[in-house]
Amino acid sequence: DQQVKQNSPSLSVQEGRISILNCDYTNSMFDYFLWYKKYPAEGPTFLISISSIKDKNEDGRFTVFLNKSAKHLSLHIVPSQPGDSAVYFCAARRDNDMRFGAGTRLTVKP
Amino acid sequence: DTGVSQDPRHKITKRGQNVTFRCDPISEHNRLYWYRQTLGQGPEFLTYFQNEAQLEKSRLLSDRFSAERPKGSFSTLEIQRTEQGDSAMYLCASSSLLTRAPTDTQYFGPGTRLTVL
Repeated sequence: DQQVKQNSPSLSVQEGRISILNCDYTNSMFDYFLWYKKYPAEGPTFLISISSIKDKNEDGRFTVFLNKSAKHLSLHIVPSQPGDSAVYFCAARRDNDMRFGAGTRLTVKP
Repeated sequence: DTGVSQDPRHKITKRGQNVTFRCDPISEHNRLYWYRQTLGQGPEFLTYFQNEAQLEKSRLLSDRFSAERPKGSFSTLEIQRTEQGDSAMYLCASSSLLTRAPTDTQYFGPGTRLTVL
């Protein structure tokens, strides 16, 4: 059962523009949401997270938005840089049960 | 602190052989997790330790799989009688209970890529 879905397998944006990566979940019991970034031949690297009691969390160029009623979260990267090119995984967690989406490959073109 | 390390990085084995992977978590982290990732998918939870106690196992963890964390530090994941379907990236992550949940962020190692021929 896929409780966390990233429906866009890939996204391409121009350097300097905004990247928006989307994620949907089905289990309303999830109370914490995370984004991880993964480069080839490396493990996922924690990027940013948000608690279910918030609707926005910002860290530098990265902002995560949570819409609990729609069971939807998004990651905004602005401005996008070529070094942001990677696979981005959305994850949703309750206690020690963390579920991941299938990932979105972001390509930022110079 | 060099982060989570895993050994080996790559393993090629023949069907039916046993393999063992090792994970060294971040030193002060008392929670350790194993995940499996197949091509085009996100990581899937396998099992979780708090100190030396294995507290949770996924139904994905068949009886051919066993994990240990004998002294609450490093962990091993053994797969017996490997099958071609076991080919995947095996990821280890660690986190610290000292940081109250839900901010108990997991940090991942580079993974061990297993290929079963």
